[in-house]
Amino acid sequence: EIVLTQSPTTMTASPGEKVTITCRASSSVSYMHWYQQKPGASPKPWIYETSKLASGVPDRFSGSGSGTSYSLTINNMEAEDAATYYCQQWNYPWTFGGGTKLELK
Amino acid sequence: QVQLKESGPGLVQPSQTLSLTCTVSGFSLTSNSVHWVRQPPGKGLEWVGAIWSGGSTDYNSALKSRLSISRDTSKSQVFLKMNSLQTEDTAIYFCTRWSLDYGFAYWGQGTLVTVSS
Repeated sequence: EIVLTQSPTTMTASPGEKVTITCRASSSVSYMHWYQQKPGASPKPWIYETSKLASGVPDRFSGSGSGTSYSLTINNMEAEDAATYYCQQWNYPWTFGGGTKLELK
Repeated sequence: QVQLKESGPGLVQPSQTLSLTCTVSGFSLTSNSVHWVRQPPGKGLEWVGAIWSGGSTDYNSALKSRLSISRDTSKSQVFLKMNSLQTEDTAIYFCTRWSLDYGFAYWGQGTLVTVSS
């Protein structure tokens, strides 16, 4: 089973700040998907195939990485970006990272 | 449009069997796979299992001995059955449609299952 380790686990950011969330895989994966989840809601697809933004995702978000190291970056943090973000890989069995809770400072 | 909706009992007694239904619309189960993902209160996401377009299944190895996923394509429904429930199975259970390109692009609203006597 491929274990995904996200860091940091929690973080706070001020409006306009740059945010980077990392996801490290225990074995190499072809690409990574990312999801955003807000309290009381289902996860939303956010970034797919490592770097492609899902429909409606602002272009201040970006994704990158390869092999065992991936990241999600927000340029210019906005209040609406406060949420928990999960990475996910698709080699059987599917696994998720533990999540990064991003709060607004 | 694509929709998924989970239904089932909110409360299950320990050692009993959980039965959940995912009713889908806007797509065919014979052309798409549906997965179950669960989330204990305040915790992260855990992949539970899947049923593929051809009807085959895959399960989380930690749950495999207790888990069964099936479907009724004529009713556009996917079923999850998990036996010998314990308190640690308390979670929100989501059904979600998978595609290799887009990942879990569509999710149901989730249904909270509490295991308690």
